[in-house]
Amino acid sequence: AQSVAQPEDQVNVAEGNPLTVKCTYSVSGNPYLFWYVQYPNRGLQFLLKYITGDNLVKGSYGFEAEFNKSQTSFHLKKPSALVSDSALYFCAVRDAGKAAGNKLTFGGGTRVLVKP
Amino acid sequence: DTGVSQDPRHKITKRGQNVTFRCDPISEHNRLYWYRQTLGQGPEFLTYFQNEAQLEKSRLLSDRFSAERPKGSFSTLEIQRTEQGDSAMYLCASSFPDRKNTEAFFGQGTRLTVV
Repeated sequence: AQSVAQPEDQVNVAEGNPLTVKCTYSVSGNPYLFWYVQYPNRGLQFLLKYITGDNLVKGSYGFEAEFNKSQTSFHLKKPSALVSDSALYFCAVRDAGKAAGNKLTFGGGTRVLVKP
Repeated sequence: DTGVSQDPRHKITKRGQNVTFRCDPISEHNRLYWYRQTLGQGPEFLTYFQNEAQLEKSRLLSDRFSAERPKGSFSTLEIQRTEQGDSAMYLCASSFPDRKNTEAFFGQGTRLTVV
């Protein structure tokens, strides 16, 4: 079984300050990890993914995430937050094994509010 | 627009009625997924197609739910005898063929309200 935990329901940050959204995962095999963002009444937009290789991955809109295998974490970061980054962020995991199927398991989401 | 398209965007129906949603994936994608998202929660997997074959179904997909992808292109999700608990956003996603390490691209979703 695979699972994702996003321990914070909401993160508040001032514009221009660093933003971190936490994610920990559990999967039996090697993980494929993803971050998506959702704006009100919209679908999910892909931000970035970790498949293999460098633990620090860079994605869209200045976001990056660090894969930490020992801590089973994949925290999302942005050095300087913008008001337009205010949205709902989802972390997701998929088991890389062939027998594991292709479904993504999502965390419960973290609402980010960036104040001017 | 070459993204994933879902129709309708919103549907209000009375309890007990049947509803059908359509998803058109990105044209070169052969994998298609349906998810359900309730308010304040993350999306939950419902089912997955590779071409026209339905390869995986969640236990969330009760007997009242059926999904098809008859020609390996668009897909439909039907809910029979709707219940108030079916009210949710239904999301469709697709991904590239033969690359299981790629991301899924999501549509805008269909928001269902059962009254």
